[in-house]
Amino acid sequence: TQLLEQSPQFLSIQEGENLTVYCNSSSVFSSLQWYRQEPGEGPVLLVTVVTGGEVKKLKRLTFQFGDARKDSSLHNTAAQPGDTGLYLCAHGQNFVFGPGTRLSVLP
Amino acid sequence: DTAVSQTPKYLVTQMGNDKSIKCEQNLGHDTMYWYKQDSKKFLKIMFSYNNKELIINETVPNRFSPKSPDKAHLNLHINSLELGDSAVYFCASSQVRGRYVSFGPGTRLTVL
Repeated sequence: TQLLEQSPQFLSIQEGENLTVYCNSSSVFSSLQWYRQEPGEGPVLLVTVVTGGEVKKLKRLTFQFGDARKDSSLHNTAAQPGDTGLYLCAHGQNFVFGPGTRLSVLP
Repeated sequence: DTAVSQTPKYLVTQMGNDKSIKCEQNLGHDTMYWYKQDSKKFLKIMFSYNNKELIINETVPNRFSPKSPDKAHLNLHINSLELGDSAVYFCASSQVRGRYVSFGPGTRLTVL
């Protein structure tokens, strides 16, 4: 099983700031997903990246897949309190998840 | 609504009891999963199942057993509950070789 690492583990920022969270492994991913989980709910898919070097945008979020397909990043521009949640990356046919980044955006 | 649903939302029980959590998906997916999320929010896969194959995470105690009456349902049975079983359990589904998984709302299990 390919293990995923995510950093930072916790992140607390003020509304309007930018942030980047990371997901990486020592192994190559065939594809990688990013999910967001709000308290009391299940994770919800944000994006799937497949091709090395790929960049995808979802509103204020920019997702990048590393050229070697071993790492990915999520960049949030001008974060809002509604972005607060647990951000998880996952990979593989059986969807193995990383430990997550807990983001708090303070008003 | 098309979704993954699970019941109950909350389950409080005594140590040693046997309990079940039900899961249904109407997304037409081929594969269903059970995940356990502990107090540190780490989401760990327990089982994946389609009509051909059950894959069990080797760290899951055999007190836990998935049962699938049909392709749209995967229930989780837990025997002889222990304090350490307290967690949130998520059912999920995907297409075979799909590129994402859809989660249910979770069941918070508390063992007293």
